[in-house]
Amino acid sequence: GAVVSQHPSRVICKSGTSVKIECRSLDFQATTMFWYRQFPKQSLMLMATSNEGSKATYEQGVEKDKFLINHASLTLSTLTVTSAHPEDSSFYICSADPGAANTGELFFGEGSRLTVL
Amino acid sequence: GNSVTQMEGPVTLSEEAFLTINCTYTATGYPSLFWYVQYPGEGLQLLLKATKADDKGSNKGFEATYRKETTSFHLEKGSVQVSDSAVYFCALSVVGQGAQKLVFGQGTRLTINP
Repeated sequence: GAVVSQHPSRVICKSGTSVKIECRSLDFQATTMFWYRQFPKQSLMLMATSNEGSKATYEQGVEKDKFLINHASLTLSTLTVTSAHPEDSSFYICSADPGAANTGELFFGEGSRLTVL
Repeated sequence: GNSVTQMEGPVTLSEEAFLTINCTYTATGYPSLFWYVQYPGEGLQLLLKATKADDKGSNKGFEATYRKETTSFHLEKGSVQVSDSAVYFCALSVVGQGAQKLVFGQGTRLTINP
């Protein structure tokens, strides 16, 4: 199956710093990628839809200036958590849509666990 | 709106027991339905899917049937194994801004004891 890779898998940072998480589709092109946030023992909450070559579409309640998304190529989307605070600590997951080749499945990265001290 | 409701966990069973995890949905239009599985320390993987009413998805001994009349997509397995321990997410897909979005249920943590 198609492979999506996230990096880093774990990151610890100090409050006030910014952290970048990368999501790469390794063997297919993804016009659209999605970023989710997963709280402990809870479901995935869609944060935003990342569109290659255009601005991301954010879900209601998600701060655009806090969570910067860039989708500069068909295989890479990045999520930058700016001025991170302890409440931003969470598990962040991306998924990629193969587009025309899609049979209805999205492919997920392994997730990135962010801990803000 | 679109939403998915799953049976609350956690669920703990003995090996070889029968498994059912209930999932119901509300949706506008005719969504595709999915079960995703998240093994410890890993990302989500597609377990099975069904794209229209009465379709049955199956994989690794798991099955789920798309029931439009009851808006359900319950996951079943006849004999579970320790290796099935994971978190299971029911999801439906909707098209938004030209792309497919997934709406997830809250997840059900399954633990199988030997």
